Amino acid sequence: GQQLNQSPQSMFIQEGEDVSMNCTSSSIFNTWLWYKQDPGEGPVLLIALYKAGELTSNGRLTAQFGITRKDSFLNISASIPSDVGIYFCAGQLSSGGSNYKLTFGKGTLLTVNP
Amino acid sequence: NAGVMQNPRHLVRRRGQEARLRCSPMKGHSHVYWYRQLPEEGLKFMVYLQKENIIDESGMPKERFSAEFPKEGPSILRIQQVVRGDSAAYFCASSPGTALHEQYFGPGTRLTVT
Repeated sequence: GQQLNQSPQSMFIQEGEDVSMNCTSSSIFNTWLWYKQDPGEGPVLLIALYKAGELTSNGRLTAQFGITRKDSFLNISASIPSDVGIYFCAGQLSSGGSNYKLTFGKGTLLTVNP
Repeated sequence: NAGVMQNPRHLVRRRGQEARLRCSPMKGHSHVYWYRQLPEEGLKFMVYLQKENIIDESGMPKERFSAEFPKEGPSILRIQQVVRGDSAAYFCASSPGTALHEQYFGPGTRLTVT
């Protein structure tokens, strides 16, 4: 069943605003990944996190691996129209997982008004 | 270097027909993964293959679904006797090894069962 809760489900923001989204779980994860999916395309990896507490940036994107290993957040600063898309969190479960099997959240649909 | 290629991009089948989805991994990648994405859902792991071997098919329905990755040629996901519930986007990813951050996704095949 669904093991990752991603929120919010959707966001409508103005260009230039900052965005924050997060994923939580009742299970412990060893790795957190954040992907972006454009319409009609496959997911593209944005940021990978491997240690609890890790904070990693990729341009205007910043993501953190929660201390409890049960959550992660993604921030986008100074949004631009091309940030539009669906953002997914994904991870590798600590218990019963495999190092190749990703568990995905349901996604956050981001709309940026110019 | 070409990315992961999938074809067809769109496939329409009537109930009871067979669907064959093809995935050509990135050059040098010998690990292939198939995921399914239902509307407004995250991706769900189906199967993991290496050349000529199925490593983990725990996410794939036991009936009607099969996957292969032959020594030569693309990986094939085959769905026999399709039903409406099979309508989804099917994504293939490939990697040179099993490190999560090295999974690169293709653009997907959108299967519609009428």
